[in-house]
Amino acid sequence: AQSVAQPEDQVNVAEGNPLTVKCTYSVSGNPYLFWYVQYPNRGLQFLLKYITGDNLVKGSYGFEAEFNKSQTSFHLKKPSALVSDSALYFCAVSYAGNNRKLIWGLGTSLAVNP
Amino acid sequence: GAVVSQHPSRVICKSGTSVKIECRSLDFQATTMFWYRQFPKKSLMLMATSNEGSKATYEQGVEKDKFLINHASLTLSTLTVTSAHPEDSSFYICSARDLITGPGSPLHFGNGTRLTVT
Repeated sequence: AQSVAQPEDQVNVAEGNPLTVKCTYSVSGNPYLFWYVQYPNRGLQFLLKYITGDNLVKGSYGFEAEFNKSQTSFHLKKPSALVSDSALYFCAVSYAGNNRKLIWGLGTSLAVNP
Repeated sequence: GAVVSQHPSRVICKSGTSVKIECRSLDFQATTMFWYRQFPKKSLMLMATSNEGSKATYEQGVEKDKFLINHASLTLSTLTVTSAHPEDSSFYICSARDLITGPGSPLHFGNGTRLTVT
């Protein structure tokens, strides 16, 4: 079955340290991969995407992600975390076989401690 | 950037009444809009895909007679929760993709509606 996994329910990092939020996927064909962030009681905001090309993708607010085809992963990273990065992060993937409908991970809560 | 406006942001209603939630794309056109429900443990559930000028496509397990969707124009979709019950209390979020930019473009989300049914 096609799926997206965010193996960590919660990630805690200290401000200034690098952060990683993990995402792995299992879909047929070439995936389109997305990361979104959600602040409390708000909708989701787009951070970055991978469609094709360079495996390292840079996005909003200093975030980046690396597409790794062999490991079927698309981990979200930031070199130096800010307290304001504390939020809920969602990974999503689409593929041609389902009309590019998004499949969502369950989300990872990121807490950046001052 | 593309903006999706969703109203109301919060609504409290009595059991048995109906509630309408509006979703508008403010600076782009969207033939397709998506309605999600978010549960307390974070996960997003796609309820239905709203298609301009035609019937919505509902996901398995979503009652189409309870969650009425109307996509009246390229910039407006509405979700009506009919005969609401306390178990319908949830956070509902709409999203849309720009008609021009296609399936590789990201979804733009409204800010959500917190529905509480008493």
